[in-house]
Amino acid sequence: GNSVTQMEGPVTLSEEAFLTINCTYTATGYPSLFWYVQYPGEGLQLLLKATKADDKGSNKGFEATYRKETTSFHLEKGSVQVSDSAVYFCALRRDNDMRFGAGTRLTVKP
Amino acid sequence: NAGVTQTPKFQVLKTGQSMTLQCAQDMNHEYMSWYRQDPGMGLRLIHYSVGAGITDQGEVPNGYNVSRSTTEDFPLRLLSAAPSQTSVYFCASRSPPGTGELFFGEGSRLTVL
Repeated sequence: GNSVTQMEGPVTLSEEAFLTINCTYTATGYPSLFWYVQYPGEGLQLLLKATKADDKGSNKGFEATYRKETTSFHLEKGSVQVSDSAVYFCALRRDNDMRFGAGTRLTVKP
Repeated sequence: NAGVTQTPKFQVLKTGQSMTLQCAQDMNHEYMSWYRQDPGMGLRLIHYSVGAGITDQGEVPNGYNVSRSTTEDFPLRLLSAAPSQTSVYFCASRSPPGTGELFFGEGSRLTVL
C-alpha cells in the first residue's frame, strides 16, 4: 500500500541554520508529493508540492525535489527563522488516497 | 473567506454518547474528507466523499459514520463514543483534479472520558 515515512523529531535549530527534514515514500504508480505545515492551534496548510519525478517544489525559501530513484522528497531551507517553528508533514496522493507522515516538529531558537 | 469551517472546536463526551462534528466548505469542492490526528501517527483518513451522495471509507473508518447530502456539508458522526476516539479531527476539501491541494479546517479537539 501507499505510505510515507518521515524523519522523527523534534528538531531544534538556531536561527539561520540549515534545515533538512527527510521524507521517503512507498507507492504504486506515480503519486503527487506534498509538504504541509501546521502552526500551533491551526489546521494544515500546503507548503509546496511536486507532481512528477524531478520536479522541484518551492515556497517561502523551502524546497523539495521529487526523487523517483530514491523515492524521496526531502524538505530543505537554507536559513531558518523563528517564525518557521511548526510541525511539518510529508504527504503523498495517489488518486483519492492521501497519506501523511507522522509529522516533524521544528523549533527555531533566536 | 470562510474556506473550511468546523464545529465545535472542543468537545468532551462520556463513553457511549453520540455526537456529530460539522464541516462546511464554501469553495464548491467536490472532494471532502475527515482525518484524525494522533501524536506520532500523523493524520489518518477516516472517510471521504467525492461528491454529494457518494462516500467511501479511509484507513480508520470503524466507529464513524458520514453522509453527504449537499456539496457544502460533510458531517462526521460518532454513534457510541469510545476513549480510543479521543483525538483532534480535521475536515479537508480538495481543489479540482490536477492541483491536489487539500484545504483544512482548524480542527475539533474531542475528548472521550
